[in-house]
Amino acid sequence: ETGVTQSPTHLIKTRGQQVTLRCSSQSGHNTVSWYQQALGQGPQFIFQYYREEENGRGNFPPRFSGLQFPNYSSELNVNALELDDSALYLCASSPGLGSYEQYFGPGTRLTVT
Amino acid sequence: ILNVEQSPQSLHVQEGDSTNFTCSFPSSNFYALHWYRWETAKSPEALFVMTLNGDEKKKGRISATLNTKEGYSYLYIKGSQPEDSATYLCAFYGGSQGNLIFGKGTKLSVKP
Repeated sequence: ETGVTQSPTHLIKTRGQQVTLRCSSQSGHNTVSWYQQALGQGPQFIFQYYREEENGRGNFPPRFSGLQFPNYSSELNVNALELDDSALYLCASSPGLGSYEQYFGPGTRLTVT
Repeated sequence: ILNVEQSPQSLHVQEGDSTNFTCSFPSSNFYALHWYRWETAKSPEALFVMTLNGDEKKKGRISATLNTKEGYSYLYIKGSQPEDSATYLCAFYGGSQGNLIFGKGTKLSVKP
């Protein structure tokens, strides 16, 4: 059974650019959540996808968007990058909607200059 | 706004010391409380998921208790070892959007 994987590990972008982060969920899991961890903070919920539909969203602007594919892998897209978007982005997969178990990937470190 | 607080923010102990951390969370709309252990550059590792008031869980030298009525959980490490050095995160699951609400974590350093 493979765990949650994320790519890339690190990324450096310039303010105003767009970025795509990728996540492969754990085998058999159909629900994916994305979190942002800024320096000195706990992870903050961005949104959750269940069977290719957005199921819930945290307090993030529309330039944060996502996709989930039929194989339940997921992408996080951020447009018009700002310096404050510099953070660790974590992906977590769950075995189903309403399951409180979440298994995390190692994260993608995004630096915006 | 739901808030999860952890204390202390950081802790430095000697090998062999026992230690404990606190997590406080909203006492309403409670579904579950998670503890994660997170080493730098690795995935957060699930230690415990606790759902019932009075729950006590144990994994080797690490144990946790839960009080949902007053909204707190304790994590205990008995006889700390250098390999216990990590950030310990707690997260509240209220079920509304399927998301976890995290504290800022307690960073533990264990000196040999």
